[in-house]
Amino acid sequence: AQSVTQLGSHVSVSEGALVLLRCNYSSSVPPYLFWYVQYPNQGLQLLLKYTSAATLVKGINGFEAEFKKSETSFHLTKPSAHMSDAAEYFCAVSDGGATNKLIFGTGTLLAVQP
Amino acid sequence: EADIYQTPRYLVIGTGKKITLECSQTMGHDKMYWYQQDPGMELHLIHYSYGVNSTEKGDLSSESTVSRIRTEHFPLTLESARPSHTSQYLCASMTGFVSEAFFGQGTRLTVV
Repeated sequence: AQSVTQLGSHVSVSEGALVLLRCNYSSSVPPYLFWYVQYPNQGLQLLLKYTSAATLVKGINGFEAEFKKSETSFHLTKPSAHMSDAAEYFCAVSDGGATNKLIFGTGTLLAVQP
Repeated sequence: EADIYQTPRYLVIGTGKKITLECSQTMGHDKMYWYQQDPGMELHLIHYSYGVNSTEKGDLSSESTVSRIRTEHFPLTLESARPSHTSQYLCASMTGFVSEAFFGQGTRLTVV
């Protein structure tokens, strides 16, 4: 069975500081990994995805994530936080099967302090 | 911008009532999903569909039912709402292989 674990349900950073949101996965097959962002009272929006091409994946809004098989990790980073980055971030894994089901982590709420 | 819509956005309803949460997409996506989201918890898949007349239960057991009579429409029904059904319900659609899932804005259901 596939699963993802997000370490830290709440992360707070200062504006301009590095953002690091952690995600570790468990999968018996090569995983497809995703980061989604959810703004208050909104649905989820795709930030980026890893599909076994380049291990460093660049997404929207300056975010990127690196797939590390040896560490079973897919951490999300952004060099400089902006106030507009405050949101909830979800890591997800899929086996890419016929259903394309996404298995989500518990989410990390990012707060950005001025 | 995603063309997937959920109605209503908010619903407060009494115990025992029958409710239907609507989800429609105009992108022609074949796969559609319903997730249940509680505060501080992961999204749990409760139903999915590969296409018309195809529905499957997800990983989280749910008393709700779904139907997929048209490609664009994937409603979720609760025959008899209970306070334990209070949650946010998110609908999503996707096409292709390991592609982006588009989410609606969600329906926040409160059963009193």
